[in-house]
Amino acid sequence: AQSVTQLDSQVPVFEEAPVELRCNYSSSVSVYLFWYVQYPNQGLQLLLKYLSGSTLVKGINGFEAEFNKSQTSFHLRKPSVHISDTAEYFCAVSDQRFSGGYNKLIFGAGTRLAVHP
Amino acid sequence: EAGVVQSPRYKIIEKKQPVAFWCNPISGHNTLYWYRQNLGQGPELLIRYENEEAVDDSQLPKDRFSAERLKGVDSTLKIQPAELGDSAVYLCASSKGGQLGFGGANVLTFGAGSRLTVL
Repeated sequence: AQSVTQLDSQVPVFEEAPVELRCNYSSSVSVYLFWYVQYPNQGLQLLLKYLSGSTLVKGINGFEAEFNKSQTSFHLRKPSVHISDTAEYFCAVSDQRFSGGYNKLIFGAGTRLAVHP
Repeated sequence: EAGVVQSPRYKIIEKKQPVAFWCNPISGHNTLYWYRQNLGQGPELLIRYENEEAVDDSQLPKDRFSAERLKGVDSTLKIQPAELGDSAVYLCASSKGGQLGFGGANVLTFGAGSRLTVL
């Protein structure tokens, strides 16, 4: 069975500083990986996804993530954060195999990014 | 294109009362999901529909929860009777088929959620 561990429940950071949100996954098969962002009182919005190919993936709002198969990690980074990046960030994983015709998306518990002026 | 639409956005009820949530997925998305998100946690799948068929409801508490998607488009999730522990955000999502990642483009798109508070 797959699982996702987001190593930090909260990450405080000052505006214009770099940030890294850590995500590790567990799976016995090849996976697809996703980062979603949830702003207060809103649904989840896709930031970026790794499906195949280059291990460095660029997403919206200046975020990027790097897939590291040997370390089973998919950490999210941004070189300079803004106040508006304050939100909850969720890492998610799904099998590349389609069991019964579909694959299930498993979410981590989330990391709350708080950007301070 | 219009996104996934959910209503109501907020609902406060007394325990033992019934409640229903409605979702309209993105046009052309035949796969619809209901997730529950407890405070401080990630979403957890309750039920998945392929068109009008519920093909994965293993995590749905069937004693009090029910869902339907009669015409394979919009869907309703019902709780009757509600308990204090049902307080959560109920998220609806949709995709073009259940093969996430397939073809490089198939991803889950979420609605804004329905926040339930049970007193």
